Amino acid sequence: DTEVTQTPKHLVMGMTNKKSLKCEQHMGHRAMYWYKQKAKKPPELMFVYSYEKLSINESVPSRFSPECPNSSLLNLHLHALQPEDSALYLCASREEGSYNEQFFGPGTRLTVL
Amino acid sequence: DQQVKQNSPSLSVQEGRISILNCDYTNSMFDYFLWYKKYPAEGPTFLISISSIKDKNEDGRFTVFLNKSAKHLSLHIVPSQPGDSAVYFCAASAHGTASKLTFGTGTRLQVTL
Repeated sequence: DTEVTQTPKHLVMGMTNKKSLKCEQHMGHRAMYWYKQKAKKPPELMFVYSYEKLSINESVPSRFSPECPNSSLLNLHLHALQPEDSALYLCASREEGSYNEQFFGPGTRLTVL
Repeated sequence: DQQVKQNSPSLSVQEGRISILNCDYTNSMFDYFLWYKKYPAEGPTFLISISSIKDKNEDGRFTVFLNKSAKHLSLHIVPSQPGDSAVYFCAASAHGTASKLTFGTGTRLQVTL
């Protein structure tokens, strides 16, 4: 199984809503990532988890709250988002160690009204 | 500060010919380079990678060349096929940074019949 799954595929939320994005992998990877991608731009790193611990936060606003409940799951909790947060949110995982590629999920297309 | 650059936003190649996608980087700490292919509304798919100890890596129709002195890498696709039409991102990471990927801006490849 070389797949990273993400749910939901699409999400529309208001600025006062609370929602969560979910990511799952069963490849035994111990590094997991959240990226944000705006149209016609490259993916931008948001968070990195290594062995279920947050290792990198790229100065992401606190309205985005990541969580890694176990080695297979990664969540991104959303609260009080702004319309400019509308984007494709990508999850990725990687086997720990040097020179290993990241595997990406299909993404969640988020629209904030 | 764009540390990884893809100066050609688009490229059109005839089916059966060679496609050459280029990427330049500025950070001399990068030691691992990857190419990803992305279709609209999907996550990036890993294609091929190269570490800084090599200058060439080949996988089927895909070959990546690395010129460290010029801080330049290129992806060759031979022969190009219509299914190769997509956006191609190069990405780079530095040892000891949890494989944090820095992506280029992408090149849209169109393979015509």
